[in-house]
Amino acid sequence: DTGVSQDPRHKITKRGQNVTFRCDPISEHNRLYWYRQTLGQGPEFLTYFQNEAQLEKSRLLSDRFSAERPKGSFSTLEIQRTEQGDSAMYLCASSFPLSSGANVLTFGAGSRLTVL
Amino acid sequence: QKEVEQNSGPLSVPEGAIASLNCTYSDRGSQSFFWYRQYSGKSPELIMSIYSNGDQEDGRFTAQLNKASQYVSLLIRDSQPSDSATYLCAFMFSGGYNKLIFGAGTRLAVHP
Repeated sequence: DTGVSQDPRHKITKRGQNVTFRCDPISEHNRLYWYRQTLGQGPEFLTYFQNEAQLEKSRLLSDRFSAERPKGSFSTLEIQRTEQGDSAMYLCASSFPLSSGANVLTFGAGSRLTVL
Repeated sequence: QKEVEQNSGPLSVPEGAIASLNCTYSDRGSQSFFWYRQYSGKSPELIMSIYSNGDQEDGRFTAQLNKASQYVSLLIRDSQPSDSATYLCAFMFSGGYNKLIFGAGTRLAVHP
């Protein structure tokens, strides 16, 4: 168990460029989440996968954002035509439901995006 | 009304004191509540989870839940400077697919 891995850790890009973030969850975790966090705020939910199925997307996730989890393992989050308002920390989390029904999320270190 | 309300702080306490952090939430159907700690520039890490009314203790941390009042709190006993961080309250949304809803966090500063 190496934890949740995210890559890259930092990305600086110019407005209008596309960026892609990758998340490798804990291997036995079938649930994967993307969150976005800006300074002084808590993480905001973006999207959720159970295995390879994307089951929920936030209204925050505009058409410029797309997420995939093609084989139910790693996931990618792509932002097209970046805007300065996209600057944030993008957090990935994974979980596996416990026998009690509880669902505890473990977060990766995050990918910090700066759009110039 | 925000889904999770937390005092943003900073809450300043002396070393060795008890720090008390509070949170109210809007989802009456939620059954799962969490406290995450986040150091500056780092990602959130789970410190406590609580699922039933009453107290749940783990070392120096005690989480308290009152579902009728939609209130959850975190007590940190014998506060240490290393406890200085932002504490995020979260609940599992009952109406969707297992998503966690976070508050904006309370910044705690423990001074020597």
